[in-house]
Amino acid sequence: AQSVTQLDSHVSVSEGTPVLLRCNYSSSYSPSLFWYVQHPNKGLQLLLKYTSAATLVKGINGFEAEFKKSETSFHLTKPSAHMSDAAEYFCVVSPSGSSYKLIFGSGTRLLVRP
Amino acid sequence: GAGVSQSPSNKVTEKGKDVELRCDPISGHTALYWYRQSLGQGLEFLIYFQGNSAPDKSGLPSDRFSAERTGGSVSTLTIQRTQQEDSAVYLCASSEGRRSPLHFGNGTRLTVT
Repeated sequence: AQSVTQLDSHVSVSEGTPVLLRCNYSSSYSPSLFWYVQHPNKGLQLLLKYTSAATLVKGINGFEAEFKKSETSFHLTKPSAHMSDAAEYFCVVSPSGSSYKLIFGSGTRLLVRP
Repeated sequence: GAGVSQSPSNKVTEKGKDVELRCDPISGHTALYWYRQSLGQGLEFLIYFQGNSAPDKSGLPSDRFSAERTGGSVSTLTIQRTQQEDSAVYLCASSEGRRSPLHFGNGTRLTVT
């Protein structure tokens, strides 16, 4: 069965310091992987996606993620946090390689301290 | 351009009443999804429409839930005889097709009292 695990429910960082949001997946097939961000009272916005091209994926707002098959991980990083990055982040797997029936992690809430 | 629009943004209803939630997808998007987001949880797939094909209803939690998509555009999610456990944010998303990223609406927050 396919699944995705976000290892931290909350992450707190100081503005200007690096961000690391961890995600591990389980998939029998070569998956497509996504990170979405959700700001309060808003819908989800796509940050980036991995679809078996380059293993290092660059997204919007300075975020990037690296697909590591040996570790079944797809961690999200950003070199320097900004106050506007405070939001909920979801790691998502599409087991069949399509955007149909995505499987969402439980989310990581990122807090950015001034 | 306009994004995915959902209405109402908030709905409070009494237990046992029926509710209808509306989704206007991005024009031209053939795929439409409904997800449910409960407090502190990830997103739970409910139903998927693709063009004129029969919808995938495998995520609907009970027969009180139904959805339709008229003319390949607007979709309505109906919950009959609402229960307190139905309280959640209901998110609609659309995409150009099965291999395209999803574009989400802002959701409808449903509270059943």
